[in-house]
Amino acid sequence: DIQMTQSPSSLSASVGDRVSITCRASQSISSYLNWYQQKPGKAPNLLIYAASILQSGVPSRFSGRGSGTDFTLTISSLQPEDFATYYCQQSYSSPLTFGGGTTVGIK
Amino acid sequence: EVLLVESGGGLVQPGRSLRLSCTGSGFTFGDHAMSWFRQAPGKGLEWVGFIRSKVYGETTENAASMKGRVTISRDDSKSTAFLQMISLKTEDTAVYYCARDTGAAAGRGARFDPWGQGTLVTVSS
Repeated sequence: DIQMTQSPSSLSASVGDRVSITCRASQSISSYLNWYQQKPGKAPNLLIYAASILQSGVPSRFSGRGSGTDFTLTISSLQPEDFATYYCQQSYSSPLTFGGGTTVGIK
Repeated sequence: EVLLVESGGGLVQPGRSLRLSCTGSGFTFGDHAMSWFRQAPGKGLEWVGFIRSKVYGETTENAASMKGRVTISRDDSKSTAFLQMISLKTEDTAVYYCARDTGAAAGRGARFDPWGQGTLVTVSS
């Protein structure tokens, strides 16, 4: 199975901050990497797929980059509605696997 | 609007069975693979399994953690996917989500949007 490791597991930031979250795969997954946002008590929401393609309707302050084993999700200017938990997920091979999540909290 | 609604969750005793349903609307259900995920209380997301579309033979794949205890099926005439779980254990307690694959095959590059609101399964005596 491909292991996905996210860092940090949590962070505190202020509105307007630039925030980056890292996801590392235990083997190369090319660009088959998705990012999801989950707010408390809600279902996950697809933000980015294929490592860098913004899902329709997602604000442009979100961006993704990377390929192979190392990936990054960046929020260019954190907004109040962005405080949530973020998960990476590889879709290179079955079983599909997720990172452990990164919770973005208010500083 | 594309919508998924899960149902069938609840309190069940260890060793019993449960069938969850996921009904879609606002899209051609049969054109998409459907996947199930779960999230134990306070924990991260875990993939349970998926079923491909009819074009891909409605084949399924399941996570090893539930292998032999899970059957995923679909009834496209009812725009519904099912997750049948047997021999439930306390560690199966979780919110179970269904999600639509944007494609038909749940193959390499699969991505899941939207997700249903989830249904809570509590396994306890």
